[in-house]
Amino acid sequence: QSVLTQPPSVSGAPGQRVTISCSGSSSNIGAGYDVHWYQQLLGTAPKLLIYGNTNRPSGVPDRFSGSKSDTSASLAITGLQPEDEADYYCQSYDSSLSGSVFGGGTKLTVL
Amino acid sequence: QVQLVESGGGVVQPGGSLRLSCSASGFNFRTYAMHWVRQAPGYGLQWVAITSYDEFDKYYGQSVKGRFTISRDNSKNTLFLQMNSLRTEDTAVYYCARDRGTSRGLYFDYWGQGARVIVSS
Repeated sequence: QSVLTQPPSVSGAPGQRVTISCSGSSSNIGAGYDVHWYQQLLGTAPKLLIYGNTNRPSGVPDRFSGSKSDTSASLAITGLQPEDEADYYCQSYDSSLSGSVFGGGTKLTVL
Repeated sequence: QVQLVESGGGVVQPGGSLRLSCSASGFNFRTYAMHWVRQAPGYGLQWVAITSYDEFDKYYGQSVKGRFTISRDNSKNTLFLQMNSLRTEDTAVYYCARDRGTSRGLYFDYWGQGARVIVSS
């Protein structure tokens, strides 16, 4: 059972927009800690996608965007492409656990 | 460019020990906190441990506390994870990751390719 809650799967056709939610609590996202997102392509290591709720590292397309509100956050992907098919994880810090916490991951399927 | 390369994975019996290494290059290793994060087969990511740049502060996830020890050798740009009293549920790919701490938490900006650990009799 992950501390942060994500939907197990989402899907969309090429060119469409999808969103992935990440729900937390008052000891993590709701406490003001930032949310970060990672993309994990099949068989590879996770890669930082969004940091500090809304920021993209160099090289990440602007089709990817993040937002945060209260105790939850969202990752939006516009103009879906086949290469976006991957697992996506949200991550934050939890003060009651004194450590980093992840969502359970969301598998994105591009139809 | 930043590179993190894990080694030391393998098959070990329950109750056994294993030490993972993570060799870092392309950045000033001695100035960054470092983490271990693991992923059991078919499951999501789980944070394991963190060491500050100088080993003054170390923290562990609940499931490994008292059994795993994180350490580093800044003279050799290497991060370690000593894993004792291994259990079948410790079977996972173990990633080392670089820390980017902020005033509102932290994130992992670079990851290694992972080391596979299988605990089985």
